[in-house]
Amino acid sequence: GENVEQHPSTLSVQEGDSAVIKCTYSDSASNYFPWYKQELGKRPQLIIDIRSNVGEKKDQRIAVTLNKTAKHFSLHITETQPEDSAVYFCAASPTDSSYKLIFGSGTRLLVRP
Amino acid sequence: EAGVAQSPRYKIIEKRQSVAFWCNPISGHATLYWYQQILGQGPKLLIQFQNNGVVDDSQLPKDRFSAERLKGVDSTLKIQPAKLEDSAVYLCASSLRHEEAPEAFFGQGTRLTVV
Repeated sequence: GENVEQHPSTLSVQEGDSAVIKCTYSDSASNYFPWYKQELGKRPQLIIDIRSNVGEKKDQRIAVTLNKTAKHFSLHITETQPEDSAVYFCAASPTDSSYKLIFGSGTRLLVRP
Repeated sequence: EAGVAQSPRYKIIEKRQSVAFWCNPISGHATLYWYQQILGQGPKLLIQFQNNGVVDDSQLPKDRFSAERLKGVDSTLKIQPAKLEDSAVYLCASSLRHEEAPEAFFGQGTRLTVV
């Protein structure tokens, strides 16, 4: 089955700097890759997603890139702000049409003011 | 739009006791998922329903965990008997589950502590 690895486990950046979180997946047939943000004690919330037929997607300060050949995808946050501090999870969805999500282990991002 | 509702928010039980969690998905969402999130880890899928049928329960420890979704709307997840390692947040999620709208929406979760 699908396996998703996520790095780094923790990331500390200065406010205004960029942050990059990387994930790799094992099932080359996976076709949907969402990113979730989870603040302390709150529910995971989708911040951006990408399909396998697209290489990059941007939404204001966040962007996601996908390299299908290498089977990895990355989250890029530019001009980080203290409110970006949270745990970020990547996920991959196998192509069995169930759209179940296999999650990475998470990255704790700390944005220092 | 109302989100995914879960209850209770917190539960503390002793090992070997039983516990049940309830989930009400977003109206119109045919797909419902239960995830287990152990502290410091990503959510792990336990079971997926499509309407009132089970799509995937391969990761559900069936000797102690059970789930049902009667009438294809609300769902309950039960643990009997609980073990210390069941301490986790249990997240319910729902989605429309089709090509144009695969997004899963999560509830607040139930934090279970087994002592």
